[in-house]
Amino acid sequence: NAGVTQTPKFRVLKTGQSMTLLCAQDMNHEYMYWYRQDPGMGLRLIHYSVGEGTTAKGEVPDGYNVSRLKKQNFLLGLESAAPSQTSVYFCASNGRDRGYSGELFFGEGSRLTVL
Amino acid sequence: SQQGEEDPQALSIQEGENATMNCSYKTSINNLQWYRQNSGRGLVHLILIRSNEREKHSGRLRVTLDTSKKSSSLLITASRAADTASYFCATDPYGGSQGNLIFGKGTKLSVKP
Repeated sequence: NAGVTQTPKFRVLKTGQSMTLLCAQDMNHEYMYWYRQDPGMGLRLIHYSVGEGTTAKGEVPDGYNVSRLKKQNFLLGLESAAPSQTSVYFCASNGRDRGYSGELFFGEGSRLTVL
Repeated sequence: SQQGEEDPQALSIQEGENATMNCSYKTSINNLQWYRQNSGRGLVHLILIRSNEREKHSGRLRVTLDTSKKSSSLLITASRAADTASYFCATDPYGGSQGNLIFGKGTKLSVKP
């Protein structure tokens, strides 16, 4: 049982380059999230999705886009990377809609460096 | 916007001692959750306490919730070196939706063997 899988785990970009982070979950969860974690800042929500084909903005959405074409996948895109987007990105899922407790299941993280 | 604030920011104890971490938050909540993060890894859910509960236990973990003071504490008893990690509280705001938990900045616990 893989849970939540993120790819890639590490990536180095130059300013202005684009990339996509992929999150896949095998728990049939409706809700999926993208967070970023910066030193001293805790986790901040970038975008989230409450089901296939839906997305919504979180606390820090600027500079990012997302897509949820399939229930099990949630993609996070950076169209023109900036050094301020250097961070560790975490994907999480939640089976909240089926009466779950609200517990989030996290991936192992994707460490992105923008030079 | 940060809802939960953990205290202390860092805690260093000897193996076998108890570790207590506190979390304060600002708005009414549905529930409060604690997560652990080992260095370089993802967060792992530890325990959830609902707004109508005052105390909850899970193994060596004890969580209390005081909604009048908008605070929670996580107690780890008889700590082990393997408990070394960062601990985060996360709140599920009352009236919120989509399970958008708000995380604090964490307490970094170091347990020395």
